Amino acid sequence: AQSVAQPEDQVNVAEGNPLTVKCTYSVSGNPYLFWYVQYPNRGLQFLLKYITGDNLVKGSYGFEAEFNKSQTSFHLKKPSALVSDSALYFCAVRDISGDMRFGAGTRLTVKP
Amino acid sequence: DTGVSQDPRHKITKRGQNVTFRCDPISEHNRLYWYRQTLGQGPEFLTYFQNEAQLEKSRLLSDRFSAERPKGSFSTLEIQRTEQGDSAMYLCASSLAGDYNEQFFGPGTRLTVL
Repeated sequence: AQSVAQPEDQVNVAEGNPLTVKCTYSVSGNPYLFWYVQYPNRGLQFLLKYITGDNLVKGSYGFEAEFNKSQTSFHLKKPSALVSDSALYFCAVRDISGDMRFGAGTRLTVKP
Repeated sequence: DTGVSQDPRHKITKRGQNVTFRCDPISEHNRLYWYRQTLGQGPEFLTYFQNEAQLEKSRLLSDRFSAERPKGSFSTLEIQRTEQGDSAMYLCASSLAGDYNEQFFGPGTRLTVL
């Protein structure tokens, strides 16, 4: 069965600095990998996904993520953080069974 | 708003009562998913439909839970004989067919069982 781990409950960065939110996964076969963001009192919003091809994928709001097959990682990155990026971020993985498995989430706080 | 909608947004009930939640997906999406999310956790998969067919159910979905999507459009999730452990946010999502397609989530229904 597939699984996903987000090793950090909380990430704090200063506005303007680069940010990284980590995600590692375990899956049989080739994974489909996703990042979602959840703002307070709002539903999860899709940010980006990796299906195949280029290991660096770009998504909404200036976010990008790098797929690393050897390290089974899919870390979310942004070159310059904004205070408005503060939210809860979820990594998710899907394999051929079709189930989507989410991580426990990482709370990102960007301080002015 | 043409996104995924859920009704009600909040439900408070007493232990032992039955509750039903509704989800209206994005109209052109033929897949519909139900998840449960508790505080400090990511969403946990419950079940999903492709059109009106229920294709998969998680073992989390005990026999007190039932979901339907009778005409392949909206879906209902019913919980019978609610327990305090059922208190959670219930999320609905929809997508186009294909495991590589992203899911679009509704705002959720928060259930509190007293």
